Amino acid sequence: NAGVTQTPKFQVLKTGQSMTLQCAQDMNHEYMSWYRQDPGMGLRLIHYSVGAGITDQGEVPNGYNVSRSTTEDFPLRLLSAAPSQTSVYFCASSPRGLAYEQYFGPGTRLTVT
Amino acid sequence: AQSVTQPDIHITVSEGASLELRCNYSYGATPYLFWYVQSPGQGLQLLLKYFSGDTLVQGIKGFEAEFKRSQSSFNLRKPSVHWSDAAEYFCAVGDGNQFYFGTGTSLTVIP
Repeated sequence: NAGVTQTPKFQVLKTGQSMTLQCAQDMNHEYMSWYRQDPGMGLRLIHYSVGAGITDQGEVPNGYNVSRSTTEDFPLRLLSAAPSQTSVYFCASSPRGLAYEQYFGPGTRLTVT
Repeated sequence: AQSVTQPDIHITVSEGASLELRCNYSYGATPYLFWYVQSPGQGLQLLLKYFSGDTLVQGIKGFEAEFKRSQSSFNLRKPSVHWSDAAEYFCAVGDGNQFYFGTGTSLTVIP
């Protein structure tokens, strides 16, 4: 099993550009989440999904969209990038629920100039 | 709202010394509790978890944590630190459809 994979590993965007961060898992987990990690703030939940076709907002959803068309994939879309979205983004999955152990991908480091 | 506090931003210990990282949470019931470790440039790896039962839980890499309900704490311990333990450590709480992280404690190990 590859576990949770994320692409790209690094990305630089200009303000106003859009892009999609990819996340895939091969563990057949129903629950998937996106977090952003900023210095001194830990990880904060952006969006999550409890199964294919079902998504919901987390703590910091503004400026991001998600969809879940398959169990395996959970892409995160930045609609119009802003410097405040410079961060490290982690995708996670869980077999039992969002309150249970999360398995994380390696992260995507995004810089918006 | 739930919160997770890690009061120590940075800790330095000598190799071979014991380690305790503090974690306090604010929650009405007994939540699910976790410790993760993040090496530089890497994702987060689960060290251990507590759901119920024995309040002393064992994890990977020789780590253990103790749940103390009266103190709303879940401190992480290791009896003898190795240089490879240098990393960032995150305490986390699971509740309903949310997973809350502390702000992390950075561990430096000196020879």
